[in-house]
Amino acid sequence: GAVVSQHPSRVICKSGTSVKIECRSLDFQATTMFWYRQFPKKSLMLMATSNEGSKATYEQGVEKDKFLINHASLTLSTLTVTSAHPEDSSFYICSARDWQGGFREKLFFGSGTQLSVL
Amino acid sequence: DQQVKQNSPSLSVQEGRISILNCDYTNSMFDYFLWYKKYPAEGPTFLISISSIKDKNEDGRFTVFLNKSAKHLSLHIVPSQPGDSAVYFCAASAWGTSYDKVIFGPGTSLSVIP
Repeated sequence: GAVVSQHPSRVICKSGTSVKIECRSLDFQATTMFWYRQFPKKSLMLMATSNEGSKATYEQGVEKDKFLINHASLTLSTLTVTSAHPEDSSFYICSARDWQGGFREKLFFGSGTQLSVL
Repeated sequence: DQQVKQNSPSLSVQEGRISILNCDYTNSMFDYFLWYKKYPAEGPTFLISISSIKDKNEDGRFTVFLNKSAKHLSLHIVPSQPGDSAVYFCAASAWGTSYDKVIFGPGTSLSVIP
């Protein structure tokens, strides 16, 4: 299946700093990527939909200025957590939609990034 | 408002027996459903999906059943194996609508006991 690479896998940062997470589709072009957040023992919460060449669509309750998303190419989307605070500590996962093979919604997920803000 | 529900947070099954994971949804616009498997600190892995025009889809040991009138779907794993122990997420989407994105349920943690 398609491969989605996400980096870094783990990051520890001080409160007030910004952290950038990269999501790449390695063997297919992804016009749409999704960013999810997972709290411990909780579901995957969709944060935003990232469309190549246009502004991201954020879910209700997600701060646009806090979580900056850029999808500058068909293979790369980035999530920047600006001025991170301890409450931003979470597991962030990106996914990409691969339309090939007729699998309409067969999302492929990255391996996730565990963010810990001290 | 949780649109995709998995009311059993956990499930334990003996190896070799059938595992049945349930999922309910509230949004009648959903027309495509998926099951994902997830290990801790990893991204979810796609298992199986079903379109709303079908009521059953089978792939090896995994079968998904869809009951549209009841807004209910289930994942059957037969026979269950210890390696199936993971968290299983039910997900749904609605093509061409504001829900043209994958919405996940809260997950069910499956433990297959050897």
